[in-house]
Amino acid sequence: EIVLTQSPGTLSLSPGERVTLSCRASQSVSSSFLAWYQQKPGQAPRLLIYEASSRATGIPDRFSGSGSGTDFTLTISKLEPEDFAVYYCQQYGSSPYTFGQGTKLEIK
Amino acid sequence: EVQLVESGGGSVQPGGSLRLSCSASGFTFSSFAMHWVRQAPGKGLEYVSALSYNGGSTYYADSVKGRFTISRDNSKNTLYLQMSSLGAEDTAVYYCARRYSSDWFFSDYWGQGTLVTVSS
Repeated sequence: EIVLTQSPGTLSLSPGERVTLSCRASQSVSSSFLAWYQQKPGQAPRLLIYEASSRATGIPDRFSGSGSGTDFTLTISKLEPEDFAVYYCQQYGSSPYTFGQGTKLEIK
Repeated sequence: EVQLVESGGGSVQPGGSLRLSCSASGFTFSSFAMHWVRQAPGKGLEYVSALSYNGGSTYYADSVKGRFTISRDNSKNTLYLQMSSLGAEDTAVYYCARRYSSDWFFSDYWGQGTLVTVSS
């Protein structure tokens, strides 16, 4: 099973700042089959990025993903107030399909 | 507009059973694989089960194998999850989600979830 470790656990930032979230896999994720989701309190997750760097439909271009192998990142170029949420990575390269434990982005 | 609406959650005693439903609209349900994903209170996400567009292929997490059964009725645009031998560890919000494509196991649309509480 591929274990995904997200870091840091919590980030305190201000609107307008740039942030990079990390997702590290315990073994290589084939074909960069990695997705990122955003989840706000009381809401369902929302797909942001798939195949490591492809933005999902309707996702603003301030969100970008990169990486391959075991190291992946999600970057938000300029934080908007609505971006404060929990972010999860998920690998779909091999079964069982696993999520990271999440990174919480909170307002400073 | 894609919509997924879960129902059937509630409180159940340990060892009991429950059936969740997910009603889909806004897309050709019979063309998409579907997932159930759960989230225990204050915890992360876990893929519980998945079913191919025609019901021919299933996926179950080890944690639910032999206890949960996924099914679908394409004539009713509805996905189901039959849960039995429930334990406290099954307490979670259960989300229905659509698979992006048949070859890529991630979810592009999610319902709002239904809460299952297992407690005596």
